[in-house]
Amino acid sequence: AQKVTQAQTEISVVEKEDVTLDCVYETRDTTYYLFWYKQPPSGELVFLIRRNSFDEQNEISGRYSWNFQKSTSSFNFTITASQVVDSAVYFCALSDSSGGGADGLTFGKGTHLIIQP
Amino acid sequence: DTAVSQTPKYLVTQMGNDKSIKCEQNLGHDTMYWYKQDSKKFLKIMFSYNNKELIINETVPNRFSPKSPDKAHLNLHINSLELGDSAVYFCASSLGTSGFYNEQFFGPGTRLTVL
Repeated sequence: AQKVTQAQTEISVVEKEDVTLDCVYETRDTTYYLFWYKQPPSGELVFLIRRNSFDEQNEISGRYSWNFQKSTSSFNFTITASQVVDSAVYFCALSDSSGGGADGLTFGKGTHLIIQP
Repeated sequence: DTAVSQTPKYLVTQMGNDKSIKCEQNLGHDTMYWYKQDSKKFLKIMFSYNNKELIINETVPNRFSPKSPDKAHLNLHINSLELGDSAVYFCASSLGTSGFYNEQFFGPGTRLTVL
């Protein structure tokens, strides 16, 4: 069965600090995809990144970076030089082929990130 | 242009009523989904539809029924509403018929409050 664990319920940092959001996943499939979504206070869900299980290369997009490590089943997300606008709930999600390809996403419980000015 | 839209944005209703939430996507995607986000922000898949066929149905009460008149629409009908149905419902869509490898694009959500 699929499972995504985001152990950090809430993180509060001061603006300009770096912050890492942890994500640990479980799946029996060898082919799977990992995602991060952002949910700002306005409530919409914004796609941030997708990573497949065969690509362990880290990715950087501006102030955002992602560290995928299959050995520890983790897909962590780091925000460098955080800004108040980064305040949101961040969800890590997993999708694998076990359900015939359309199981939908399995989400973690989310990490509420608070950036204080 | 809005990629995935939902109506209404807010829905307040009495227990026992029947209601519908509409979802439309203009992305040309093949698979659509409904998710429920509870008061603790936990997101859980309810249904997915592919080429008008229900692909999965999680442990959702049969009071909930998805209906897809065409590939661009997936509406959610809820009968005999209960207090526990209060939540935010998100519609989403993704490209491809085996959508597990594609990112899903979400609608803005519908906040349902059952009194």
